[in-house]
Amino acid sequence: GAGVSQSPRYKVAKRGQDVALRCDPISGHVSLFWYQQALGQGPEFLTYFQNEAQLDKSGLPSDRFFAERPEGSVSTLKIQRTQQEDSAVYLCASSLAFLENTGELFFGEGSRLTVL
Amino acid sequence: AQTVTQSQPEMSVQEAETVTLSCTYDTSESNYYLFWYKQPPSRQMILVIRQEAYKQQNATENRFSVNFQKAAKSFSLKISDSQLGDTAMYFCAFMKHVLTGGGNKLTFGTGTQLKVEL
Repeated sequence: GAGVSQSPRYKVAKRGQDVALRCDPISGHVSLFWYQQALGQGPEFLTYFQNEAQLDKSGLPSDRFFAERPEGSVSTLKIQRTQQEDSAVYLCASSLAFLENTGELFFGEGSRLTVL
Repeated sequence: AQTVTQSQPEMSVQEAETVTLSCTYDTSESNYYLFWYKQPPSRQMILVIRQEAYKQQNATENRFSVNFQKAAKSFSLKISDSQLGDTAMYFCAFMKHVLTGGGNKLTFGTGTQLKVEL
């Protein structure tokens, strides 16, 4: 498709389980971002890739969160030993290389994670 | 660090009327971008309008326009001739200019839920 695709759309996990969330960005978009959106809040930055390089991971809340983009296209956000506070919508966004871009991000519909 | 504040959690407007959503921000940067994003119930965020801080002219996109007051660090969104399809959560966002190492990282406000009523 032409847009950013995320899967799964909904995920229910038991506390302590590991989860993996996938993002397929728009073809040709060099930059890829993960954001976390808690209920009733604005998205919070998690991490940023330019191609396969993770240039900023300052927003990852703990070492249980890990993101990768090994071939510079599809990205996976992994959360180990999930906790209830991890419940949120995880948004992926992509954009053109930053020097060609004035900041427009293209978002996916998100993956809603519920940890019981 | 930058902060973005949206002090109106919810607003409503009658169809065809005009509504203004407020946003203030705090930064020490002199060059940056400001955005309004729209998030309909399906959750896919869509860019509504952008403003470059070094441009004094307020940005407009059809029925959407902004009132950018750099000294006051204020960036409000005006929606004219409101339509039912404008019902959504609206987020104000800030980004440092790419040449100052912004890296396209957006800082969002907490959002304003707008409801357009018949």
